[in-house]
Amino acid sequence: TQLLEQSPQFLSIQEGENLTVYCNSSSVFSSLQWYRQEPGEGPVLLVTVVTGGEVKKLKRLTFQFGDARKDSSLHITAAQPGDTGLYLCAGPTQGGSEKLVFGKGMKLTVNP
Amino acid sequence: GAGVSQSPRYKVAKRGQDVALRCDPISGHVSLFWYQQALGQGPEFLTYFQNEAQLDKSGLPSDRFFAERPEGSVSTLKIQRTQQEDSAVYLCASSPDRETDTQYFGPGTRLTVL
Repeated sequence: TQLLEQSPQFLSIQEGENLTVYCNSSSVFSSLQWYRQEPGEGPVLLVTVVTGGEVKKLKRLTFQFGDARKDSSLHITAAQPGDTGLYLCAGPTQGGSEKLVFGKGMKLTVNP
Repeated sequence: GAGVSQSPRYKVAKRGQDVALRCDPISGHVSLFWYQQALGQGPEFLTYFQNEAQLDKSGLPSDRFFAERPEGSVSTLKIQRTQQEDSAVYLCASSPDRETDTQYFGPGTRLTVL
């Protein structure tokens, strides 16, 4: 069974601080996705990383896929209250199935 | 265009009741997924349709759970004889085709079983 472990699980920081969220597995993934979920809403895709070592930037968010495609990280620079939410990493299961396996998520609170 | 919609948004059921949760995917999307999200957890896969065919139901926790998509568009997840452990948010997602990784999620139905 492919598992994704996220750390930390909870983070409360002040506006302007930087943070990094980690997503780790003992399994190789063909790609990994990062989602953000706000209360009462479904997850919204932020980015998909496909190539080992790949780095993608989305405004103040930087996503990295590990060289071995077993881990990924999300770095947020100068966090803002609008960044508050649940950050989930997910990857497709092996065998060509389209279903996604998700980590438990990192609940981020950015205080003004 | 409209996104994935789900109804009802909230459902309270007494233990033992049957419930039906509806998902309207994005028009034209071939793939449809159901996930269960317990409080404080990430979503967990329940079942997957490609058009009207249910290709994977390995995540359904028991035979009390049943899903259908008879015309390849709207889908219904039915839970019979609900139990307290069924309390969760049920998320539906759709995807344009098999080759697209991106899944578009609906807002979910929060089910509370008393």
